Amino acid sequence: AQSVTQLGSHVSVSEGALVLLRCNYSSSVPPYLFWYVQYPNQGLQLLLKYTSAATLVKGINGFEAEFKKSETSFHLTKPSAHMSDAAEYFCAVSGKDSGYALNFGKGTSLLVTP
Amino acid sequence: NAGVTQTPKFRILKIGQSMTLQCAQDMNHNYMYWYRQDPGMGLKLIYYSVGAGITDKGEVPNGYNVSRSTTEDFPLRLELAAPSQTSVYFCASSYYFGVDSNQPQHFGDGTRLSIL
Repeated sequence: AQSVTQLGSHVSVSEGALVLLRCNYSSSVPPYLFWYVQYPNQGLQLLLKYTSAATLVKGINGFEAEFKKSETSFHLTKPSAHMSDAAEYFCAVSGKDSGYALNFGKGTSLLVTP
Repeated sequence: NAGVTQTPKFRILKIGQSMTLQCAQDMNHNYMYWYRQDPGMGLKLIYYSVGAGITDKGEVPNGYNVSRSTTEDFPLRLELAAPSQTSVYFCASSYYFGVDSNQPQHFGDGTRLSIL
């Protein structure tokens, strides 16, 4: 089964600093990769998804992710953190198994300090 | 658009009680899913459905049942509530049109369930 691993359960950055959230995938075929964000007491919102058309994917709220096959990575970045970016971030992979259900990483909690 | 609607938002159950978590979507999505979220564990798939009348087990189905009589609704049933089922439950939906696709899933706001 395809899976993802998120490195770092908690990441803290200063407002205005670079945000880097790490995700590595395990898949023997090109995967379907996603990043979701969860704000407190809310559901999950799609940030971006990987398509084979481009290795650099731009999402909402200024986030982007780069697919690196050689490193089996799909790290999420944002050049300048805002206080409103504080949330839980999930990397996920899907495939034909289980009706394209998502296999999630354990999540990374992003804290943004003034 | 309402998207994916889950009810109730919060519920406290006693051990051994039963209840149904409701999920409805108005996007004409054919695929629907139930996940549970436990602290530090991400989300795990309970059951999924690829269309009305078709359901299948996910990673953690024990203690749960589902049905899919219509495209719009996908209720999750807990028959004998146990403390281990204390969790946040999310329903999601997406649309697949018969070829490989990476359509994203749309999530409801969740049901927070405590079993005491």
